Amino acid sequence: DSGVTQTPKHLITATGQRVTLRCSPRSGDLSVYWYQQSLDQGLQFLIQYYNGEERAKGNILERFSAQQFPDLHSELNLSSLELGDSALYFCASSVDSYNEQFFGPGTRLTVL
Amino acid sequence: GESVGLHLPTLSVQEGDNSIINCAYSNSASDYFIWYKQESGKGPQFIIDIRSNMDKRQGQRVTVLLNKTVKHLSLQIAATQPGDSAVYFCAERRDTGRRALTFGSGTRLQVQP
Repeated sequence: DSGVTQTPKHLITATGQRVTLRCSPRSGDLSVYWYQQSLDQGLQFLIQYYNGEERAKGNILERFSAQQFPDLHSELNLSSLELGDSALYFCASSVDSYNEQFFGPGTRLTVL
Repeated sequence: GESVGLHLPTLSVQEGDNSIINCAYSNSASDYFIWYKQESGKGPQFIIDIRSNMDKRQGQRVTVLLNKTVKHLSLQIAATQPGDSAVYFCAERRDTGRRALTFGSGTRLQVQP
């Protein structure tokens, strides 16, 4: 158990819908990262937050957004969902940007 | 939360043998390299890391070798056990600018009893 929690574990929804994925980092970690793991793209970095502020952006679509709250939990919002958004979404946390990232168990999103 | 279905190269070894998993990385400016293990239904789990100023680092039953000349990273697992069966990813990162990890495509390790 990495100490990073993600909810929900599974999510099934329809095209065009909007969903929110939630991540609670390990106690004491200020940095949160979101990654997408799909069949044809492997693990792709989406976005990083540090202590409530966006720190870095990766291959995140404009339909996706994220935020980190004062209690350091983070949410990833996915809107106007398409079939191709079906994937595993992982959250990772670290003390800061230089240290080891600990991954949560992931949320499996299925868009029908 | 498994990565089953990913079209990955597979390494099949006998229990007790040593395993070597290879990774070619792309960014010659990367400062830090990590190996992750992902078991079926779980998120990636840290195994071992190495900084770019080193060429070898050993852990418990695992060794990482870094060859910066050819941008190659390898993970050696000694006395491979059935519990080592998983997908293994290498990842790289810079210490400046964007510090998010860039992952390799992964290798599936199957340990035959």
